[in-house]
Amino acid sequence: ETGVTQSPTHLIKTRGQQVTLRCSSQSGHNTVSWYQQALGQGPQFIFQYYREEENGRGNFPPRFSGLQFPNYSSELNVNALELDDSALYLCASSLGPLSYEQYFGPGTRLTVT
Amino acid sequence: GQQVMQIPQYQHVQEGEDFTTYCNSSTTLSNIQWYKQRPGGHPVFLIQLVKSGEVKKQKRLTFQFGEAKKNSSLHITATQTTDVGTYFCAGHGFGNEKLTFGTGTRLTIIP
Repeated sequence: ETGVTQSPTHLIKTRGQQVTLRCSSQSGHNTVSWYQQALGQGPQFIFQYYREEENGRGNFPPRFSGLQFPNYSSELNVNALELDDSALYLCASSLGPLSYEQYFGPGTRLTVT
Repeated sequence: GQQVMQIPQYQHVQEGEDFTTYCNSSTTLSNIQWYKQRPGGHPVFLIQLVKSGEVKKQKRLTFQFGEAKKNSSLHITATQTTDVGTYFCAGHGFGNEKLTFGTGTRLTIIP
């Protein structure tokens, strides 16, 4: 059984650029959630994808968007990067969209300069 | 919106002492989950509580869910150096797919 993987591990971008982060869910999981974790804070829910559809969204602007593919892997896209977007981006997969334990990947550390 | 606070923010204990972190939600939760994040790592699921007043134990860890389903606690007996990390509670509202994480309690152990 393969765990949740994310790529890349680290990324440095310039303000105004766009970035795509990738996540492969754990085998058997059909739901992927994305979180932003700033230094010293708890993860903040960005959105969730269930069966290739967005299934809920946190308080993040539309420049944060995502996709889920038929194999349940997922992408997080962020346009027009801002300095405050610098954070650890975590992907978590689960057996379903509600009330299931989240299996987190190792995260992507994004730095915006 | 739903807010989940934890106290204390930091806790330094001598190895062998007990540790408790408290979690309070601004709204009633359908369930509460606890995660542990080691320094430089990612959150790892510990447990989920669903029922009002539920108590669960995992070896030296005891988890409680309040009667009103708005608060929870994690108690560690006789801490060990392997317990170092940040402990987060996280809750779902009813019919809400959004998992709201608490502010976390960072535990450090003095050998």
